[in-house]
Amino acid sequence: EVQLVETGGGLVRPGSSLKLSCATSGFTFSNTWMNWVRQAPGKGLEWVALIKDKYSNYEANYAESVKGRFTISRDDSKSRVYLQMNTLRDQDTATYYCTKITTTVFDYWGQGVMVTVSS
Amino acid sequence: AIVLNQSPSSIVASQGEKVTITCRASSSISSNYLHWYQQKPGAFPKLVIYSTSYRASGIPSRFSGSGSGTSYSFTISRVEAEDVATYYCQQGSSNPFTFGSGTKLEIK
Repeated sequence: EVQLVETGGGLVRPGSSLKLSCATSGFTFSNTWMNWVRQAPGKGLEWVALIKDKYSNYEANYAESVKGRFTISRDDSKSRVYLQMNTLRDQDTATYYCTKITTTVFDYWGQGVMVTVSS
Repeated sequence: AIVLNQSPSSIVASQGEKVTITCRASSSISSNYLHWYQQKPGAFPKLVIYSTSYRASGIPSRFSGSGSGTSYSFTISRVEAEDVATYYCQQGSSNPFTFGSGTKLEIK
């Protein structure tokens, strides 16, 4: 059974940093692309970042809204994907979902973790 | 970035009614890379249709999808109470991957 469990959310001040983690199981993590998607309260879904597998040299892509501030990474030995978020803004307040990707399909999602940026 | 214009933004339907949601892309996309998700209230999104017309595992046959190029649609042939949710289209044809703005389905 595929499982994705996000941790690391919380309440932080604008300008601060936070690192999200997504623990996975039930599939071959090392050859799977992984993703973060977020959803601001009462709003729609926004793709945030993607990291490809070792066969694609762990290439990472980012939404313009987070480029230069967020970094996606992975640890294949632990089957985990991370999202380092720096210089957080009020607009980054959202539920962050970790998703597994199969040929651009976000086929499995975690339950999500809430990040609140507020002074 | 490819913009997905999803319509309508909300639908109120009776049980047993047919509903259709449209997703129009700002540029042509491969039908292999257009997908639909369902998000029930208070829950995380779930894959419903992938590659335009293929139902994900466990999805009832009343859900279907079609389309090509820049125009795609998602249909529920006979709406049931459990289908109350917001539905999103998503394209993976080009980076950045993008979502439509969502269609909220409610039951009368």
